[in-house]
Amino acid sequence: GQNIDQPTEMTATEGAIVQINCTYQTSGFNGLFWYQQHAGEAPTFLSYNVLDGLEEKGRFSSFLSRSKGYSYLLLKELQMKDSASYLCAVNAGKSTFGDGTTLTVKP
Amino acid sequence: GAGVSQTPSNKVTEKGKYVELRCDPISGHTALYWYRQSLGQGPEFLIYFQGTGAADDSGLPNDRFFAVRPEGSVSTLKIQRTERGDSAVYLCASSLMSGGGNEQFFGPGTRLTVL
Repeated sequence: GQNIDQPTEMTATEGAIVQINCTYQTSGFNGLFWYQQHAGEAPTFLSYNVLDGLEEKGRFSSFLSRSKGYSYLLLKELQMKDSASYLCAVNAGKSTFGDGTTLTVKP
Repeated sequence: GAGVSQTPSNKVTEKGKYVELRCDPISGHTALYWYRQSLGQGPEFLIYFQGTGAADDSGLPNDRFFAVRPEGSVSTLKIQRTERGDSAVYLCASSLMSGGGNEQFFGPGTRLTVL
């Protein structure tokens, strides 16, 4: 079976750094994705990890530990527009998504 | 360039009716995915196609749901005898190929409401 856990909600301040964690237990693993989804819109791709370690992409970084079944998304220099839901998804042929973490950025 | 498009954007139907939801993937993308999303939840996998064939349909909730992709491009999700519990946003995504690091590009979704 597939099980993906993320915190439901987080709040952070503009300009700060926030880390969104994701733990997973899946049968099969081809990689882990992070997507951003603004309210009422479709998810958009942020990052992909297949090997252990940190992938950096501008203000966004994603980390993976396959042995621990753990990933996190790190957002730096938060902006108001970063308020959105962040979805962790494990790909094993099909993709299984977590329920998302709703991030609220306050001024 | 054109992204993934879905029609209709909204569909309101009555319990027991039949509906068809259409997805036009990005040209050249061989993999196509259907998900449904309820408020406050992540996308729930339904089915994915690699080319014309359904590579994994394990997410279809029951035999009222069926999807086709006859020419390996456009796909139609068909729901028979709709129930109120089918109400959700139905998302389609496509990727260059299935699996691995192939990023999925999502369409805007079809909001289905069953009265």
